Amino acid sequence: NAGVTQTPKFQVLKTGQSMTLQCAQDMNHEYMSWYRQDPGMGLRLIHYSVGAGITDQGEVPNGYNVSRSTTEDFPLRLLSAAPSQTSVYFCASSRQTGIYVTEAFFGQGTRLTVV
Amino acid sequence: QQQVKQSPQSLIVQKGGISIINCAYENTAFDYFPWYQQFPGKGPALLIAIRPDVSEKKEGRFTISFNKSAKQFSLHIMDSQPGDSATYFCAASNPARGSNFGNEKLTFGTGTRLTIIP
Repeated sequence: NAGVTQTPKFQVLKTGQSMTLQCAQDMNHEYMSWYRQDPGMGLRLIHYSVGAGITDQGEVPNGYNVSRSTTEDFPLRLLSAAPSQTSVYFCASSRQTGIYVTEAFFGQGTRLTVV
Repeated sequence: QQQVKQSPQSLIVQKGGISIINCAYENTAFDYFPWYQQFPGKGPALLIAIRPDVSEKKEGRFTISFNKSAKQFSLHIMDSQPGDSATYFCAASNPARGSNFGNEKLTFGTGTRLTIIP
């Protein structure tokens, strides 16, 4: 049981390049989300999905696209990378683990540097 | 605008002592308050969580205290150990549109780096 798998672990991009951060989970969770983590800012929600075919914007969606064609995969696309997108990106999937208890399972993160 | 404010930013506690991290929120629609623990190079992991219908929840050495009227909640780590050294994030959630459970959409605090010294 791999949990949430993110690839790549590290990436350097030039300004203006595009790329896709991959995220896959094998726990059959309906809810998946992407966060970025910056020093002093905590984790901020970029986009989320409540099931295949359904996505919505989080707190900081500009410059990012997502799609959800299957339950397992939730890729994050950077359209035209900017230095402000230098960050550590975390993908998470969530499930209810008890009465009124929801647990988010995070991947190991992708450290992205835009130069 | 930070909807969940967390303090302190960093904390050093002696082994065996009590570590206390505080959070305050503004959005009264929040109805679920988890704490996540993150070790270097890893993703956050759920530590403990509380709903606003109780004022305290305890799991082992970890306790959440919740004050609904003040819109504040805190994490207490009793008998702190070097293995507790990590970054701790408080979070709050409000219902996600279309979700079955409603508690997955998390707003995080800015984090507290906790160091336990021998």
